[in-house]
Amino acid sequence: LAKTTQPISMDSYEGQEVNITCSHNNIATNDYITWYQQFPSQGPRFIIQGYKTKVTNEVASLFIPADRKSSTLSLPRVSLSDTAVYYCLAENRDDKIIFGKGTRLHILP
Amino acid sequence: DGGITQSPKYLFRKEGQNVTLSCEQNLNHDAMYWYRQDPGQGLRLIYYSQIVNDFQKGDIAEGYSVSREKKESFPLTVTSAQKNPTAFYLCASSPRQGYPTDTQYFGPGTRLTVL
Repeated sequence: LAKTTQPISMDSYEGQEVNITCSHNNIATNDYITWYQQFPSQGPRFIIQGYKTKVTNEVASLFIPADRKSSTLSLPRVSLSDTAVYYCLAENRDDKIIFGKGTRLHILP
Repeated sequence: DGGITQSPKYLFRKEGQNVTLSCEQNLNHDAMYWYRQDPGQGLRLIYYSQIVNDFQKGDIAEGYSVSREKKESFPLTVTSAQKNPTAFYLCASSPRQGYPTDTQYFGPGTRLTVL
């Protein structure tokens, strides 16, 4: 199973760009990396997904270097409402994906 | 309005009682999942189903049971064999069977407290 490692927590300030890095040493060439966001007492919500180079949508960017041993979720100009837990998921060979403990992001005013 | 619903939002039960958590989706999704989340922890997979009348154990299936008699419904029963059932339970669905990277859509969750 592909295992991911991310920081347990991070703090940042409103208006800053936040980068959360996820390590995934044994993913295959076309395996996807997916990020979810979870607010307290709610289910996670899909943010972004990709498997190479860079993907950007209206809320975030995902950078995956050529060696694919890690990836970085980038949140531009965060606000207080971006305080949440962020999960990095790597594709596995079976029919399920694994949510780890995630990164608890705390945005300060 | 398409979505995934769970009921009830809060549930209290006495120790030793079985309890069933409801999960319904009208998204016409093939796959459905049940997760458990403990305070400050990530999600752990209990059971998942790729198609009607078929389901597989996840990482922590002991003490739980499920059924998938209809495409839109995937109820979870927490049995008395589950040693520590107090937790936040999340149900999710995704469009296609056999595509684990399809986006999972989550319900609002049920917070179960066993007294």
